[in-house]
Amino acid sequence: SQQGEEDPQALSIQEGENATMNCSYKTSINNLQWYRQNSGRGLVHLILIRSNEREKHSGRLRVTLDTSKKSSSLLITASRAADTASYFCATDRGYQKVTFGTGTKLQVIP
Amino acid sequence: ETGVTQTPRHLVMGMTNKKSLKCEQHLGHNAMYWYKQSAKKPLELMFVYNFKEQTENNSVPSRFSPECPNSSHLFLHLHTLQPEDSALYLCASSQNTDTYNYGYTFGSGTRLTVV
Repeated sequence: SQQGEEDPQALSIQEGENATMNCSYKTSINNLQWYRQNSGRGLVHLILIRSNEREKHSGRLRVTLDTSKKSSSLLITASRAADTASYFCATDRGYQKVTFGTGTKLQVIP
Repeated sequence: ETGVTQTPRHLVMGMTNKKSLKCEQHLGHNAMYWYKQSAKKPLELMFVYNFKEQTENNSVPSRFSPECPNSSHLFLHLHTLQPEDSALYLCASSQNTDTYNYGYTFGSGTRLTVV
């Protein structure tokens, strides 16, 4: 399986609810990054968490990293219809080795 | 506008055509990348340029030919493509050290259809 796999593959929630996406990976990393992609567009960098950090916040986003379990989660609080997009995690293993997963497709229903 | 500009946004080409994709960044980044995104697959890294020198070619067929004339511009030259090459081609840039990536800035992509 891939380095950096998101779970679930698809998620549908009501506006105002929280959305949680998970990412698992296999080897040690320097950092883990989360990206958002609106349909047919480029990816937008959301947040980067270093391997020595456990939690990071940015606005309505909260990212956690558990290096012992090789997993990360992205929480979007109080979701909005505009949050509808695909979300990808990317693992940086150093020396230009950055690997993306297949993404979680989030739909926020107004 | 992210600071990374890709043209064209859409491209339809025949299998015998030759075309080029263009990417431009004015962020002062020292690395540029081509990625391929196909449906239901992870992003595939195609090429990496650091300070305009190619440092990675991820087993990409020779019908894809990159060019990086300076640290702000990146091209992907296409010739005799196959229908399975139809995909979204994404350019990205980043500011890296040898061992650390600080995150990518992506362009909006070129949607390529090979007929």
